[in-house]
Amino acid sequence: AQSVTQPDIHITVSEGASLELRCNYSYGATPYLFWYVQSPGQGLQLLLKYFSGDTLVQGIKGFEAEFKRSQSSFNLRKPSVHWSDAAEYFCAVGRTNNQGGKLIFGQGTELSVKP
Amino acid sequence: DGGITQSPKYLFRKEGQNVTLSCEQNLNHDAMYWYRQDPGQGLRLIYYSQIVNDFQKGDIAEGYSVSREKKESFPLTVTSAQKNPTAFYLCASSTKLRTGLSKTSTDTQYFGPGTRLTVL
Repeated sequence: AQSVTQPDIHITVSEGASLELRCNYSYGATPYLFWYVQSPGQGLQLLLKYFSGDTLVQGIKGFEAEFKRSQSSFNLRKPSVHWSDAAEYFCAVGRTNNQGGKLIFGQGTELSVKP
Repeated sequence: DGGITQSPKYLFRKEGQNVTLSCEQNLNHDAMYWYRQDPGQGLRLIYYSQIVNDFQKGDIAEGYSVSREKKESFPLTVTSAQKNPTAFYLCASSTKLRTGLSKTSTDTQYFGPGTRLTVL
């Protein structure tokens, strides 16, 4: 069965430090992968997505993610974190044939930023 | 402005009552989705609809019902049969899926702001 794992429930980084949020997936074919961000009490905003092609994907707000098929990973990175990046981050994978455009979400990683 | 709207933002319900959550989109998207979010559990799919007058159950459809009479609207009813309805509910939409020879592509989903339902 397809699944998404975000191993870190909560991460705290200092403002200006680099960030890497981990995402591992289990999928039988080439996956469609997404990262979303959610501020408290709000909906989800798309940060970036991978469908095919270049394995390093650039997104909004200075985020990037790298698809590594050999490691079944799609980790999210940012070179310098800003206080406004504090939020919850979700990794998601698109499901297989005949299941429409449904997504499977990880449990989320909450990011705190220290001044 | 194009987007997805959900109303109300906060909703309180007494036990045994049915309530309906609204989701409207003006993005001209064909597919719409309802998710439930609980702390520490990510998002779980309740129902989805790929086209008007058609919808399918997701992973946790018990105690919920939907309709899709118009392309832009996908209301969710939380019935009294839902044993633990207190949660944050998110609606999403995406463009029509493109079917290739060997696989179905997954279009990007865009989310509304959510409705927080509390059962008193």
